[in-house]
Amino acid sequence: DGGITQSPKYLFRKEGQNVTLSCEQNLNHDAMYWYRQDPGQGLRLIYYSQIVNDFQKGDIAEGYSVSREKKESFPLTVTSAQKNPTAFYLCASSQPGRSTDTQYFGPGTRLTVL
Amino acid sequence: GNSVTQMEGPVTLSEEAFLTINCTYTATGYPSLFWYVQYPGEGLQLLLKATKADDKGSNKGFEATYRKETTSFHLEKGSVQVSDSAVYFCALGADDYKLSFGAGTTVTVRA
Repeated sequence: DGGITQSPKYLFRKEGQNVTLSCEQNLNHDAMYWYRQDPGQGLRLIYYSQIVNDFQKGDIAEGYSVSREKKESFPLTVTSAQKNPTAFYLCASSQPGRSTDTQYFGPGTRLTVL
Repeated sequence: GNSVTQMEGPVTLSEEAFLTINCTYTATGYPSLFWYVQYPGEGLQLLLKATKADDKGSNKGFEATYRKETTSFHLEKGSVQVSDSAVYFCALGADDYKLSFGAGTTVTVRA
């Protein structure tokens, strides 16, 4: 089955630690996205990538970093510089990569800072 | 800039009731409009979409019509089921590689 996988489903982090969230897609999509979801709020864009080896900051990129070395993978690192990282993180992909096209979402990773 | 405003929840209904969730938008150009649904603990799934004015998107008994004159994309379902309990997000896509989401509306359907 084609789709997007995210791992782990739940992640716990101590303050001061960096953690990396995995996102893999086998839909052969060029574009991938990372969103953050907080209770009672819509999704906010962290980073997006339109093509391998290229990515752009979204609306709330501070304290996060990404890489796009392979078409199917777009990992997100939550650094210690992110002051309030507890949230639900969603990865998405689309083809050919414009936001008028449908974005398909993974199941999400819930990150909790202890 | 682009933005979406959708009806605040939570909304609680009885089975077989009529559901409407209002969504209005502000955008430059000619955006596409989407409704996504999120079941508890899961990611978002596309429910329906419309890409130009007067288009009607429909899926699983849900419908929404892209109204340019009122800048709206209201979601409707004529007879809800318990399985429709979820959070519904209205979203707008323009030419800048981003989707702008509303805050989400939590819908609970009671048997």
